[in-house]
Amino acid sequence: NAGVTQTPKFQVLKTGQSMTLQCAQDMNHEYMSWYRQDPGMGLRLIHYSVGAGITDQGEVPNGYNVSRSTTEDFPLRLLSAAPSQTSVYFCASSYFRLAGYSYNEQFFGPGTRLTVL
Amino acid sequence: GENVEQHPSTLSVQEGDSAVIKCTYSDSASNYFPWYKQELGKGPQLIIDIRSNVGEKKDQRIAVTLNKTAKHFSLHITETQPEDSAVYFCAARPNHSGTYKYIFGTGTRLKVLA
Repeated sequence: NAGVTQTPKFQVLKTGQSMTLQCAQDMNHEYMSWYRQDPGMGLRLIHYSVGAGITDQGEVPNGYNVSRSTTEDFPLRLLSAAPSQTSVYFCASSYFRLAGYSYNEQFFGPGTRLTVL
Repeated sequence: GENVEQHPSTLSVQEGDSAVIKCTYSDSASNYFPWYKQELGKGPQLIIDIRSNVGEKKDQRIAVTLNKTAKHFSLHITETQPEDSAVYFCAARPNHSGTYKYIFGTGTRLKVLA
């Protein structure tokens, strides 16, 4: 298994540009999520999904869109990039409701480092 | 809103000594508390977790304790080794119907000095 993969690893954008960060997992996990990591602020949840066709907002959803058309993929879209979105972005996935619990070990991807000029 | 405070932000210990990292959560409905280790340039990796119906869990040199009354949980690493040097994050999962969010602490940078 490749686990959780993210592309690209690095990206530089100009203010106002749009782009999509890709995330895929091959573990048949129902739960997928996106976090951003900023110095001194830990990991903050942007959006998450508990299955194909279902998404919900996290702590910091403004400026980001997501969709979940398949179990494997959970892309994150920046419609109009802003310098405040400069960050490292992590995608994570886990089983959902395994053994009756709606929480299970999250597996993180390697991250995408995004710079918005 | 929901919040997880983590202390200290940096911690230096001599090899062989113990390290303790503490977290406090705000939402009393939280029922799952994972700890992650993040090495430089990599994504976080789960090292241990605890559920709200348990007060302590141990896995070799790593242990986690939970005090639900005080809303505190702590990570204990004994006999530290240089390879334990990393950033450690605690997290809490509030159990509210229809929401499935994880709230992370701000991280602790642990340095184990040889």
